[in-house]
Amino acid sequence: AQSVAQPEDQVNVAEGNPLTVKCTYSVSGNPYLFWYVQYPNRGLQFLLKYITGDNLVKGSYGFEAEFNKSQTSFHLKKPSALVSDSALYFCAVRDGSSNTGKLIFGQGTTLQVKP
Amino acid sequence: EPEVTQTPSHQVTQMGQEVILRCVPISNHLYFYWYRQILGQKVEFLVSFYNNEISEKSEIFDDQFSVERPDGSNFTLKIRSTKLEDSAMYFCAGDPGQGYNEQFFGPGTRLTVL
Repeated sequence: AQSVAQPEDQVNVAEGNPLTVKCTYSVSGNPYLFWYVQYPNRGLQFLLKYITGDNLVKGSYGFEAEFNKSQTSFHLKKPSALVSDSALYFCAVRDGSSNTGKLIFGQGTTLQVKP
Repeated sequence: EPEVTQTPSHQVTQMGQEVILRCVPISNHLYFYWYRQILGQKVEFLVSFYNNEISEKSEIFDDQFSVERPDGSNFTLKIRSTKLEDSAMYFCAGDPGQGYNEQFFGPGTRLTVL
């Protein structure tokens, strides 16, 4: 069965410091991986995706993520956090062998960036 | 930039009543989805819809739920007889196809069942 785990409910970092939000996944076929961000009272906004190719993918707002097949991980990173990055972050996976686009989401990680 | 829109933003209903949640996807999208997020929990897949029929549905999507795209633009989710546990944020999403595109989400409808 497909699943996504985000082991941290909350990540706290100081502004200007690097941040990492962790994600591990399990799928039966090739993984298509996504990160979304949710601001209060807003919908999910797409940040970045991994489908194939380079293991390091770059996305919106300076975020990047590293795909690691052996560790089945797709951690979200940013070299220098901003207070405005504070939000709820969701990792999601889609089974590439599936003929539907169903996304399986992790439970979400709240990122708190303090000035 | 085109956006997915959803109406209403907040719906309050009595248990047992029918509700219809409406979504207008981005015009060139071909695949459509409904997800829900119970307060404090993860986003859960409900149903996917393509070519005017359901392509996949979750265990949550029982006989009380239905979807349709009546006029080629709106995409609706109907709950026939709401239950207290249906209270959640419901998100509509779409993608243009080709197997791996990211999904574009609407702002959500918060459903409160009393």
